[in-house]
Amino acid sequence: DAGVTQSPTHLIKTRGQQVTLRCSPKSGHDTVSWYQQALGQGPQFIFQYYEEEERQRGNFPDRFSGHQFPNYSSELNVNALLLGDSALYLCASSGLVNTEAFFGQGTRLTVV
Amino acid sequence: AQTVTQSQPEMSVQEAETVTLSCTYDTSENNYYLFWYKQPPSRQMILVIRQEAYKQQNATENRFSVNFQKAAKSFSLKISDSQLGDTAMYFCAFMRGDDKIIFGKGTRLHILP
Repeated sequence: DAGVTQSPTHLIKTRGQQVTLRCSPKSGHDTVSWYQQALGQGPQFIFQYYEEEERQRGNFPDRFSGHQFPNYSSELNVNALLLGDSALYLCASSGLVNTEAFFGQGTRLTVV
Repeated sequence: AQTVTQSQPEMSVQEAETVTLSCTYDTSENNYYLFWYKQPPSRQMILVIRQEAYKQQNATENRFSVNFQKAAKSFSLKISDSQLGDTAMYFCAFMRGDDKIIFGKGTRLHILP
């Protein structure tokens, strides 16, 4: 079992650009959540996808959008990047009994 | 809104000693889950221990145990016989049912040889 995999591991973008981050959930999991972790902080919930729809959303602007595919993998898109978007982006997957979320190793996004 | 507070930004203990990390939370819910996650420099968020609020018995996983005080909304983590590999950021977290996870700001733990 490969667990939760995220790609890429590191990314450098210029302010104003757009970025897409990808996540493959753990086998058997159908729910994917995305978190933003700024340096020295705890992760902050961005949104959660289930059955290809956004089920709930945290306090993030519309520049942050996502998608879930039929195979349960997911993408996080961020438009019009700001310097403050620099962070570690974590993907977590969970199953029907959502009492444990498994996290990927994250994508380190640097906006310059 | 639920909040999670970790009052110890950083701690250091000698190898083989016991250390306790503190966490308090605020919620009006009666049924929820509490977690301690470990995040080493590799960035992987690893679940250390989980507690269901409806269970009175404190959870234990090998050297890791919790002191869950529901009325006081307190959820501390005790690490016994600490090892160098325990060095990491530790996050206390709260989840209400099939919901988002709310994390504290973390405690950086150093295990000294």
